[in-house]
Amino acid sequence: DAGVIQSPRHEVTEMGQEVTLRCKPISGHNSLFWYRQTMMRGLELLIYFNNNVPIDDSGMPEDRFSAKMPNASFSTLKIQPSEPRDSAVYFCASSPREASRGEQFFGPGTRLTVL
Amino acid sequence: SQQGEEDPQALSIQEGENATMNCSYKTSINNLQWYRQNSGRGLVHLILIRSNEREKHSGRLRVTLDTSKKSSSLLITASRAADTASYFCATEYGNKLVFGAGTILRVKS
Repeated sequence: DAGVIQSPRHEVTEMGQEVTLRCKPISGHNSLFWYRQTMMRGLELLIYFNNNVPIDDSGMPEDRFSAKMPNASFSTLKIQPSEPRDSAVYFCASSPREASRGEQFFGPGTRLTVL
Repeated sequence: SQQGEEDPQALSIQEGENATMNCSYKTSINNLQWYRQNSGRGLVHLILIRSNEREKHSGRLRVTLDTSKKSSSLLITASRAADTASYFCATEYGNKLVFGAGTILRVKS
């Protein structure tokens, strides 16, 4: 099993540019989570999907952030326009169970730097 | 504010010693989980303990849960240099899993 796959692993962009982060969950998992990790705020849940449907997006910081899950094997997190304060490591995780009920499997993360 | 908080924030020990990390949380839970994060990597699930369990073991890991005190501890016995990582507890909050700030463990060889 390849685990959760994220791309790109590193992204450096300039303020105002659009950024798209990608995630492929583990096959058969029906929950997918996007997290952001910073030194100041730790690990924060941005949004989670169950069976491709967004269940809770209350952690999405602003309208500049959007996430989609067009099918069970792919999700994107988009930031448009990006700002320097969006610099962080973004993790995607998947789980065979809903939300907090069990183990979550994390991808390696995308380190985003917005200049 | 975060649901779970770990202490200490950082811990430095010699290889072979035991490491204990603590987690406190605020509201009632169904389960509590511990994760490890190596530098530059994603989190890895270590163990889940349910609210009706008091202690659970997995290899060199021992987790306890005291629901009356809303606290949990993670004990790593006979630590190794490879155990150097950040350790996070995670608890439910509504329909989310909320992670604490973590304990940074350094095991010196």
